[in-house]
Amino acid sequence: GGIITQTPKFLIGQEGQKLTLKCQQNFNHDTMYWYRQDSGKGLRLIYYSITENDLQKGDLSEGYDASREKKSSFSLTVTSAQKNEMAVFLCASSISQFSNERLFFGHGTKLSVL
Amino acid sequence: GDSVTQTEGLVTLTKGLPVMLNCTYQTTYSPFLFWYVQHLNEAPKLLLKSSTDNKRTEHQGFYATLHKSSSSFHLQKSSVQLSDSALYFCALSELGSFNKLTFGAGTRLAVCP
Repeated sequence: GGIITQTPKFLIGQEGQKLTLKCQQNFNHDTMYWYRQDSGKGLRLIYYSITENDLQKGDLSEGYDASREKKSSFSLTVTSAQKNEMAVFLCASSISQFSNERLFFGHGTKLSVL
Repeated sequence: GDSVTQTEGLVTLTKGLPVMLNCTYQTTYSPFLFWYVQHLNEAPKLLLKSSTDNKRTEHQGFYATLHKSSSSFHLQKSSVQLSDSALYFCALSELGSFNKLTFGAGTRLAVCP
């Protein structure tokens, strides 16, 4: 088995601050994802990466950057934190990019912006 | 675009009763449907998946049948347990395409003693 590790677990930021969330997986999966989870809105895709150094925008990419410098890691940057923003950011991975593959999720990073 | 609708935000039941969590979807392509479950402070994990019309799929006592005629993939269990209390997400992907899931808003299931 494998695991997805997200750091930090909790992140408190100030309005306008640039914040970086990190994700590591040891499944040796090709594809990695960042999702945002808001209460009552399900999970929305921010960025995904099919392989090392690949980046693709999801539906919610505005206000975020991402980086996939190694196969095992995928980081997400909030470019300018919004006041009173509160959400959970979930990292996930899958063996491939194809539609029938299950996603494996991390436990999430909970963001609060003061 | 694709969409997934879960009509119940919260379902509260007594242990031992049956449950059905609703999921309907809209897509112009051939669908692949998933149910993910997220227990409190845990990562979401796959519960069920299906792309076969009218075939029941089961896992850990939960079951669902994809009905393309009604665009539905409802999740059912005949007797809920306290440990089933969790957030349940229905998700949709397009068969044969990139694994870009569209999630429903989620249904929280609370099972009482």
